[in-house]
Amino acid sequence: RKEVEQDPGPFNVPEGATVAFNCTYSNSASQSFFWYRQDCRKEPKLLMSVYSSGNEDGRFTAQLNRASQYISLLIRDSKLSDSATYLCVVIISTGNQFYFGTGTSLTVIP
Amino acid sequence: NAGVTQTPKFRILKIGQSMTLQCTQDMNHNYMYWYRQDPGMGLKLIYYSVGAGITDKGEVPNGYNVSRSTTEDFPLRLELAAPSQTSVYFCASNRDRDYEQYFGPGTRLTVT
Repeated sequence: RKEVEQDPGPFNVPEGATVAFNCTYSNSASQSFFWYRQDCRKEPKLLMSVYSSGNEDGRFTAQLNRASQYISLLIRDSKLSDSATYLCVVIISTGNQFYFGTGTSLTVIP
Repeated sequence: NAGVTQTPKFRILKIGQSMTLQCTQDMNHNYMYWYRQDPGMGLKLIYYSVGAGITDKGEVPNGYNVSRSTTEDFPLRLELAAPSQTSVYFCASNRDRDYEQYFGPGTRLTVT
């Protein structure tokens, strides 16, 4: 079973729409969580960390549900520049590795 | 502050050739990583290092070797290249395990 699973999409949404991505993780010892963004043919870059109480950064909101072992990313008022692949990442408490999901592709349409 | 740099950006190898992918970071990070990313797939960890002189295998280490003689450098060696090693290779580093990883721009490798 994969450590991290994401719906690959693609999600095609109009500008201004709200879109949400979910990511599930299999190891209950997972302790740190992140969302990364990867533009086409570029390296991944940190979008935001995910905290237990949930956190917001402008139009982006991240939530963690430990009981159901999933994290979510909500993007409000989508912009064309939000078009990218969003990678879910977890770190397991017993190891040194980041586990990346395969990514969810988002295209924001004018 | 250049961050994480990788060379070369692109390379074409013939089957059976060898090469070294270079990775350097100037942030004094302890942790460094090598990933490969195949089309439409997530990143898979090849090797990582928690400090100079210490390396460990990740999920897909076969066909690769690494060394970490300094804090700054973490080269990845491919011996006897195979078509299955065609991929984009990313190097990354972070200050400590739970902190943001910074990625280099990647090396696009084709083995034919």
